[in-house]
Amino acid sequence: GAVVSQHPSWVICKSGTSVKIECRSLDFQATTMFWYRQFPKQSLMLMATSNEGSKATYEQGVEKDKFLINHASLTLSTLTVTSAHPEDSSFYICSARDSGGIQETQYFGPGTRLLVL
Amino acid sequence: GEDVEQSLFLSVREGDSSVINCTYTDSSSTYLYWYKQEPGAGLQLLTYIFSNMDMKQDQRLTVLLNKKDKHLSLRIADTQTGDSAIYFCAERSNAGNMLTFGGGTRLMVKP
Repeated sequence: GAVVSQHPSWVICKSGTSVKIECRSLDFQATTMFWYRQFPKQSLMLMATSNEGSKATYEQGVEKDKFLINHASLTLSTLTVTSAHPEDSSFYICSARDSGGIQETQYFGPGTRLLVL
Repeated sequence: GEDVEQSLFLSVREGDSSVINCTYTDSSSTYLYWYKQEPGAGLQLLTYIFSNMDMKQDQRLTVLLNKKDKHLSLRIADTQTGDSAIYFCAERSNAGNMLTFGGGTRLMVKP
């Protein structure tokens, strides 16, 4: 089946540090990837849609200068949390849409847990 | 915006059937999905159903869709302790690529 990886799986950093999270589709090409944020015991909140070769589309209330997204290839999207603060601590999950699939299913990565001290 | 609702919690005994319910408001939904999330992990796609179907069975999983009432359910037969997790339903509208998730139902399976 389709596999999506994320790296790193865990990040602990000091306040003010920028953190980059990678999302890769391992066995399929994804022209569209999605970045979600999940707070403890809550559902996923879509942050932005990442499109290969073009600018990301951000959801209302998500600061694009704070959460930089780069989708440089058909298998890689990166999310950079710039100047992270404790309130940015969360579980970040990416998904990749299998453009070749009939139903264009989204496959999710295992998530990256960010803790900002 | 569109809304997807789920009950928060379900507890069953091992070997019983579990039924997790979901309601949605978007009448233009094309696909509806069920995902499983184990503690500290990402989401695992369990199954999906196209909006013109009313039932789909996949081994122990049965999905029922009542499009008129905008009600989706996931039945897990012979529930095992390994099925304990949070289950999210999600709908994809005809309008775009994004998924709208329910709040998740925590399934606890007692031995």
